[in-house]
Amino acid sequence: GAGVSQSPSNKVTEKGKDVELRCDPISGHTALYWYRQSLGQGLEFLIYFQGNSAPDKSGLPSDRFSAERTGGSVSTLTIQRTQQEDSAVYLCASSLAGGVRGNTIYFGEGSWLTVV
Amino acid sequence: DAKTTQPTSMDCAEGRAANLPCNHSTISGNEYVYWYRQIHSQGPQYIIHGLKNNETNEMASLIITEDRKSSTLILPHATLRDTAVYYCIVSFLSGSARQLTFGSGTQLTVLP
Repeated sequence: GAGVSQSPSNKVTEKGKDVELRCDPISGHTALYWYRQSLGQGLEFLIYFQGNSAPDKSGLPSDRFSAERTGGSVSTLTIQRTQQEDSAVYLCASSLAGGVRGNTIYFGEGSWLTVV
Repeated sequence: DAKTTQPTSMDCAEGRAANLPCNHSTISGNEYVYWYRQIHSQGPQYIIHGLKNNETNEMASLIITEDRKSSTLILPHATLRDTAVYYCIVSFLSGSARQLTFGSGTQLTVLP
């Protein structure tokens, strides 16, 4: 597609349920990022994938959060046993590479998650 | 990683140039300066980035001081649709990653 695509755009789930959020990066982009943004807050880095390298998971807030990237393209962010504090917009971004050349990083429109 | 300092908010009259400052006094030699903006409820939109030379594209100009400790984003003719939070970010390397650490940004309000 022309841009980073995320689904679902909105998700309401009950506390304790698991959720999966999907990201389709821009075609050809090898680097993929997940961020989250709570209401009125700045963006918080979660995880980064670059090609076949081991992902940088340093931003994941707890072991309830995990992410996969299959075939070097689509990524899924999974939140297990959701809590109300997980309510946020989850943003995916991609770029050509994560190296030193200052490649532009493009964001999707986000998946709005509400845990009730 | 270098941190950035931006004013919390700014106003600009429609049609005038909006000049948004950013301080990044601890920037290192291989770190880029990126600017993004975020309009309410939307994902961040890339505006421009640079290393040490001034840059210009169809959206804006980026002026980086010679010592690279500060920069200014210029929107030459602000419109009401430019009202947004503008983030100045210094991009660092984490292992093999290039990440964007977002601060609080500047709320730019373009006034009619």
